[in-house]
Order: sequence, then structure tokens, then C-alpha cells
Amino acid sequence: QVQLVESGGGVVQPGRSLRLSCAASGSMFSNHGIHWVRQAPGKGLEWLAVISYDGSKKYYGDSVKGRFTLSRDNSKNTVYLQMNSLRGEDTGVYFCGKDLGTTSLFFYYGLDVWGQGTTVTVSS
Amino acid sequence: QSALTQPASVSGSLGQSITISCTGTSGDIGTYNYVSWYQQHPGKAPKVLIYDVTYRPSGVSNRFSGSKSGNTASLTISGLQAEDEADYYCGSYTSTAIYVFGTGTNVAVL
Repeated sequence: QVQLVESGGGVVQPGRSLRLSCAASGSMFSNHGIHWVRQAPGKGLEWLAVISYDGSKKYYGDSVKGRFTLSRDNSKNTVYLQMNSLRGEDTGVYFCGKDLGTTSLFFYYGLDVWGQGTTVTVSS
Repeated sequence: QSALTQPASVSGSLGQSITISCTGTSGDIGTYNYVSWYQQHPGKAPKVLIYDVTYRPSGVSNRFSGSKSGNTASLTISGLQAEDEADYYCGSYTSTAIYVFGTGTNVAVL
């Protein structure tokens, strides 16, 4: 069973950048898409982005499109979320999650394994 | 892509059954059977309860069940227990924006 651990969160000034990592332990990581989900303080879950199992497909939500970039290194069992031009509304807990589907490029079925989350605070 | 619509709160007494609705569109719930339900306790990561509308992952209590009709999916919790007090979110694949969550429902056990 895959386990996920996020890291890289912290306090950052508006307009600056931050890179989050999602490291997986366990088998079969390279067969699954990985999502990023954000939860602003006191708010609900917001889907941000997903990268396909092989890194060839990346999809982004409107709120982060053009500012955030996904990548993955399957040799290191790690997915990265590069966040640029950060804004106050990017503040929140960032979760990564493994997609239920296997070797899918176009359909994403839901998140069956979640990390514990890493907190990002954008403030001057 | 707008969030799927859920009631803000639902409550029930111990042992009762409650149902949480999740309304989408023909671009998500109405067309695809890729609806999941997640439970989140305060300060914790979400946990999947239901996937593909009706399937429970191993280890999830059979008190949780899912269904779908048209553009609306539903989660039923039977035999409500104190530990069921949490926030619940639906989620679905969507043809327009890949994935979308519901607005979330807080369940209170009276």
C-alpha cells in the first residue's frame, strides 16, 4: 500500500515561489496519477491539479493555471508542485493524493490515499 | 468549474440513518460513475469512504453506502455513531475540469 508524505510548506511573501514535494513509499507509485488538493483555513477541499502516472499529462484548476507546475520523478517516487507568483488566497493546507485509477492518462477516478498535508502561508 | 452542491449541514441521532446529497451536472455526476465520498475529521487528512458511486474500500464500515440518480449522488450513513461526526465531501471526474469536490457537509450527531 502506497503512503504519501508532503513537504516544503512554509511562510512566503506574496509574489514569491515555493516548491512542494509529495514522496511515496510502497509499491506501484509509478502506475498512478497524483493529485494536489488545497484546503484554505476553515474552508472546503479545492482540487488543484493532477499529473498522470508517467508525467506526460498534467491538468490544472483555473485558480492555479499558469502559476503552478507539476512534475514527477518516478525513480525517486516523488511528485513536485512548483508554485510561483503566490497570493494570499493560496494560503492553506496542501494535500497530495493517489488516484484510484491505474495507468490512466485521461480519466481520474478519485483519491484513495492521502498525505497528511503541508501548510503554506502567503503573507508579507 | 463550480463545486458540486452539498447541504452545509446534516444532523441525526445516534443509531439513525442520514443521507447527504451531492448535485452536479451532466458534465460530471450525470455522465460518469466516478463519484467518491470522503470523510474528514478536524485537523486530519480526508479518507475515502466510497468510490465509483457505490464501492467501499476494504476497511470502511458497511454503514456507509453510496448511490446515484441523474445528476445527484448520495451518501447514506446508517446506524449513526458518535465517531461519524465529521465533514463529508463528494468528488467527481468532470469532463470540463478533470476533478471537482463538493462544497462539503458537516454531520452532527445529536
